Amino acid sequence: SQQGEEDPQALSIQEGENATMNCSYKTSINNLQWYRQNSGRGLVHLILIRSNEREKHSGRLRVTLDTSKKSSSLLITASRAADTASYFCAVTKTSGSRLTFGEGTQLTVNP
Amino acid sequence: GAGVSQSPSNKVTEKGKDVELRCDPISGHTALYWYRQSLGQGLEFLIYFQGNSAPDKSGLPSDRFSAERTGGSVSTLTIQRTQQEDSAVYLCASSNRGAGADNEQFFGPGTRLTVL
Repeated sequence: SQQGEEDPQALSIQEGENATMNCSYKTSINNLQWYRQNSGRGLVHLILIRSNEREKHSGRLRVTLDTSKKSSSLLITASRAADTASYFCAVTKTSGSRLTFGEGTQLTVNP
Repeated sequence: GAGVSQSPSNKVTEKGKDVELRCDPISGHTALYWYRQSLGQGLEFLIYFQGNSAPDKSGLPSDRFSAERTGGSVSTLTIQRTQQEDSAVYLCASSNRGAGADNEQFFGPGTRLTVL
């Protein structure tokens, strides 16, 4: 079964609006990370939240983690057209160090 | 260079041929990962190298796939007797931390493989 499942699969918003993407996972984790991918090529790391953290901020990004519900959310505030990309969550299980990625959310920000 | 590099950026091959994909990780990074991404899908883990430890090959889809990492740096992913279902973007990532630590990964631009 797929770890790090994101929803929605696709999200379309207007510039200036906030975008929220959710991620669920199934096992105990060491940390959860969010990555961004433009045009189906290399991924860029956005933010990492450890299992003992509940919320983290980085610029216009806000990430929450609820380990009791095994879920995380990524909020992008005041979105810009340049935020258009695919966003993936990835988890590191407590038993290992490799990341398991979800299917991603395709975000489109319309000017 | 400062980032992870991969070559070639694009590879078109005929079914049945062998291909080699190369990854140059960030200098000093001890961990190196290979992933495969089919069109519109998430990343599928293939193999993980950490220092001098035996690699984690648990994600390799068949014995046609193999990878090596020479001198703890450059890695080559080899696909023998390619099939059309091997067509995908192959992504390499490196990290300067291993198991039990925050393992932010730095990705290369990928190699887009097309098997005709």
